[in-house]
Amino acid sequence: GEDVEQSLFLSVREGDSSVINCTYTDSSSTYLYWYKQEPGAGLQLLTYIFSNMDMKQDQRLTVLLNKKDKHLSLRIADTQTGDSAIYFCAVPNSGGYQKVTFGIGTKLQVIP
Amino acid sequence: NAGVMQNPRHLVRRRGQEARLRCSPMKGHSHVYWYRQLPEEGLKFMVYLQKENIIDESGMPKERFSAEFPKEGPSILRIQQVVRGDSAAYFCASSPVEGLSNQPQHFGDGTRLSIL
Repeated sequence: GEDVEQSLFLSVREGDSSVINCTYTDSSSTYLYWYKQEPGAGLQLLTYIFSNMDMKQDQRLTVLLNKKDKHLSLRIADTQTGDSAIYFCAVPNSGGYQKVTFGIGTKLQVIP
Repeated sequence: NAGVMQNPRHLVRRRGQEARLRCSPMKGHSHVYWYRQLPEEGLKFMVYLQKENIIDESGMPKERFSAEFPKEGPSILRIQQVVRGDSAAYFCASSPVEGLSNQPQHFGDGTRLSIL
């Protein structure tokens, strides 16, 4: 099955850039997702990238995909305190339907 | 609110009781997924259902856990004879169409189950 790995914790100062990394073992040619979870809440779809793209930019968010190395990253520019949350990488499994494997989540702490 | 609705938000049970968790998918969505999130752990897939069918229950414990998604009404995740280790946040997600991988799963806010 799919294995998705993320670092557990990242701490940055307000105004700096944050880079959250994710590696995976297998993926069908589909979309790869980033979700954000704030305390006590569910997962909110943040952004996604199609697997034939290298980069996608959406305001302060930049997603980079290195398909050869099976590496996905999420860059948050000008990180704000409201960005403090857990960020999950989600990768569809190869298979007949969209079963998705989630990473363990990276907890982003933004220091004022 | 057109999002995925889960209730209750918090549920407290004593060991040995039954827990029922409900999930109403987004309007127009016919596919439901249940996940469990243990403290300091990621999301673990439990079961995937369509209306009246269980498609994949490979992540669900063989005993005490069951899930259904009837033709009418919400999806139910049922845990019988709960034990302390069942304490977790249980999330439901829904998607509109099977097999189209550009349809992301949309999540509810979860049910936090505490076992005394």
